[in-house]
Amino acid sequence: KAGVTQTPRYLIKTRGQQVTLSCSPISGHRSVSWYQQTPGQGLQFLFEYFSETQRNKGNFPGRFSGRQFSNSRSEMNVSTLELGDSALYLCASSAPQGSGYTFGSGTRLTVV
Amino acid sequence: EDQVTQSPEALRLQEGESSSLNCSYTVSGLRGLFWYRQDPGKGPEFLFTLYSAGEEKEKERLKATLTKKESFLHITAPKPEDSATYLCAVQASVHNAGNMLTFGGGTRLMVKP
Repeated sequence: KAGVTQTPRYLIKTRGQQVTLSCSPISGHRSVSWYQQTPGQGLQFLFEYFSETQRNKGNFPGRFSGRQFSNSRSEMNVSTLELGDSALYLCASSAPQGSGYTFGSGTRLTVV
Repeated sequence: EDQVTQSPEALRLQEGESSSLNCSYTVSGLRGLFWYRQDPGKGPEFLFTLYSAGEEKEKERLKATLTKKESFLHITAPKPEDSATYLCAVQASVHNAGNMLTFGGGTRLMVKP
């Protein structure tokens, strides 16, 4: 079966701009989580959506937001980009039982 | 606050030289401990989930074990293709209505032929 699909794979943006990343979960998975991965901080939880509702949120500023659609696809948005937002953004989906989280290949965001 | 610490940060092995990676954790009620493998430029690949102390799981040359304070990933007779970063993560039961993982910093494993 198809895995978790993230688009685009690579993005280059300028400071102050905003960006939207997309994630399509595995068919049947209703939970979608987003993580930021940087060399200095490792993998950090951003937020989780389940049935179009945000269920958990990590310690990130309000510039980071997300949403989930009725088909479980999710988007995350970062406004007013800063250099420190350069990172690999990963999306993971999980089945209702919550055992095992499948990650996508990520979107590499570079802010210049 | 949930915390996960992995050691060592980096490990160099010769092909066939067995070793173990450590994952120490503090969590307010463990719902699950996860091991992932991550290759450069790719997303983490799921390896194992452990739920309770004493549990063990195996897959090819990898074996994961769990105690109340730490987990080990044992690598037996590693091959160069086992080179990757291995990540440990915990899910706390206080987040029982959600799926949030707290990750360790990872162990970068390099296996030389």
